[in-house]
Formats: sequence, C-alpha cells, structure tokens
Amino acid sequence: GQQVMQIPQYQHVQEGEDFTTYCNSSTTLSNIQWYKQRPGGHPVFLIQLVKSGEVKKQKRLTFQFGEAKKNSSLHITATQTTDVGTYFCAAPISRDSGGSNYKLTFGKGTLLTVNP
Amino acid sequence: ETGVTQSPTHLIKTRGQQVTLRCSSQSGHNTVSWYQQALGQGPQFIFQYYREEENGRGNFPPRFSGLQFPNYSSELNVNALELDDSALYLCASSLGSYTDTQYFGPGTRLTVL
Repeated sequence: GQQVMQIPQYQHVQEGEDFTTYCNSSTTLSNIQWYKQRPGGHPVFLIQLVKSGEVKKQKRLTFQFGEAKKNSSLHITATQTTDVGTYFCAAPISRDSGGSNYKLTFGKGTLLTVNP
Repeated sequence: ETGVTQSPTHLIKTRGQQVTLRCSSQSGHNTVSWYQQALGQGPQFIFQYYREEENGRGNFPPRFSGLQFPNYSSELNVNALELDDSALYLCASSLGSYTDTQYFGPGTRLTVL
C-alpha cells in the first residue's frame, strides 16, 4: 500500500552539529505532520504543514513542505542532547484506490542520538 | 502533557488470552484513534472512533475491536492474543478527523508470552 518513506533510519551526531531527516511520498499529500518520541516515551506533536512550499520554524527546528507536496524535511541546527529521540513524519494516506478512507500513516522514523 | 491517559501502563499476557486496554481522551476531543507501535517502527493505525462509532480501520484482523463511551473514553480489546501482538499500544485523541493532530497518551506496553 501507499507509504510514507523516511530517511535516514538512524543518525548519530556530535552535539552542535546539524541534523536533517527527510520524508517522501509517491502521492500528493494534503498535509504532513511531524512528531518526536523520546526514548521510552510517546509521540508528541511538533508541527503540521499544509501549504505547498511551506516553511515553519520552531527555535532551532526548521520544517519544510515540498512544492509538489510529496516530500518534507525537518532540520535541526546545532543539536543538543535534549534533541535525542525518534522523529516521525505522518500524513493522511488513502487506504483505497478511490481516494477515500484516509488513515494517518507514519514513517518508520529517524532515531537521532547526540554525543555530548 | 496532553491530558490523554491510558491504563494499564504495562501488561503481560500469554498466547490465546484476551486483553482490554483503556484510554481517557483529552477534554473536548470527540475522536479517538488507536495505534500499535512495534519496537523500532512507527505507529500503525488500528482504528478510530468518533461519537461512539468506528469510523475508519487499518489493516488489523477482527480480533482487534474497540468501544468508545459517551464521555469519549475508549477501550481496545484484543482476542486470541498472538506473540506478534507484543507492542506499545497508543491511544490518541483529536478534535475532529483522525488525520488531524494526534494527542497521544503514554501508551500501554503489552507483552505476549
């Protein structure tokens, strides 16, 4: 079925380095959401992007939605140890060919570890 | 914190048994969704309830069933447990469509032996 592909699966950085995770879909998305899950925790909503080419910033985090609304990225500038966790993108994906019965489909996530 | 609560926190069952997991939605949210998250994977949509009726289902067999109550709390029932059912079960509430922002509870860690 249709999926949301996320890369890389893992990323280890030194504190202070930048980090980027990418999310791709074969179909045009109505919106894309980003969540963060700390080790042992549950997903926490970060942001939703709706418009083509949209860019949103939250402090050191920058979120982008592609012009074709098929891809998105999350970039963290100057990572800190508090950024450790798994970052998921999620998007409404139709469960049938008729374009209805949408479900929120999560990528497999990118696990970020930060070496202090 | 989201205001979504789940119980129990952890549960150990044996294969073939039945389990009921509970969720209390965030105040004002009338939609609840359940997800299964296996280790190292993203949450997988099980089903969603809106105003006490199932309103969307993922690729899970009928032995996964649920209920939503008038106060918008919810239950997830799993019959005939299998080893592969071992996972973190997440409840998420939202204001409207289940494709809107999901406010997740802390989850129930189910282990099937």
